[in-house]
Amino acid sequence: GNSVTQMEGPVTLSEEAFLTINCTYTATGYPSLFWYVQYPGEGLQLLLKATKADDKGSNKGFEATYRKETTSFHLEKGSVQVSDSAVYFCASYSGGSNYKLTFGKGTLLTVNP
Amino acid sequence: EPEVTQTPSHQVTQMGQEVILRCVPISNHLYFYWYRQILGQKVEFLVSFYNNEISEKSEIFDDQFSVERPDGSNFTLKIRSTKLEDSAMYFCASSSGLSGNQPQHFGDGTRLSIL
Repeated sequence: GNSVTQMEGPVTLSEEAFLTINCTYTATGYPSLFWYVQYPGEGLQLLLKATKADDKGSNKGFEATYRKETTSFHLEKGSVQVSDSAVYFCASYSGGSNYKLTFGKGTLLTVNP
Repeated sequence: EPEVTQTPSHQVTQMGQEVILRCVPISNHLYFYWYRQILGQKVEFLVSFYNNEISEKSEIFDDQFSVERPDGSNFTLKIRSTKLEDSAMYFCASSSGLSGNQPQHFGDGTRLSIL
């Protein structure tokens, strides 16, 4: 079955630093890939997605590129803000008769002013 | 923007009692899901529901669990006889379809504490 492995946290950065959170996946076929974000006290919000190889998902300054050759979907942001402090989850979805999202463990990001 | 709503936000229940978690999916969505997250662990799939029946369930979703769409708007998860290990955050989600371009949208979750 599918699995997702993401970088263990916590990650602590200063404001305006560069962020990378690594994510790799295993799946049969070519899944769709997602990053979800959970702000303190809130639910899971879709941050960005990519549905096929070489697609780049982007939102709110965050980007991730679907790399089939390395089975990766790393999340990046050039300059983080305090308001980006949250838990970030990488997830895969194979679709078809497989309805479920498979999540990574989540990475806690704390951005200090 | 339409959103998935869940009630209650926090439920405290004695072990062995029944609990019902409630969700109102996004109104034009057709596919409904429950996930759970035990503290410090991954978000895990429990069940998906479409056209008034379960379409997929995980090994976690045993006979103690059931789901229902009692009317046109609510989607519920019932745990018949709760155990300590059922303590977790339970997330409801919905989607308009099954493609990667129709992603699942999540509610804020219900924190279930079993005493």
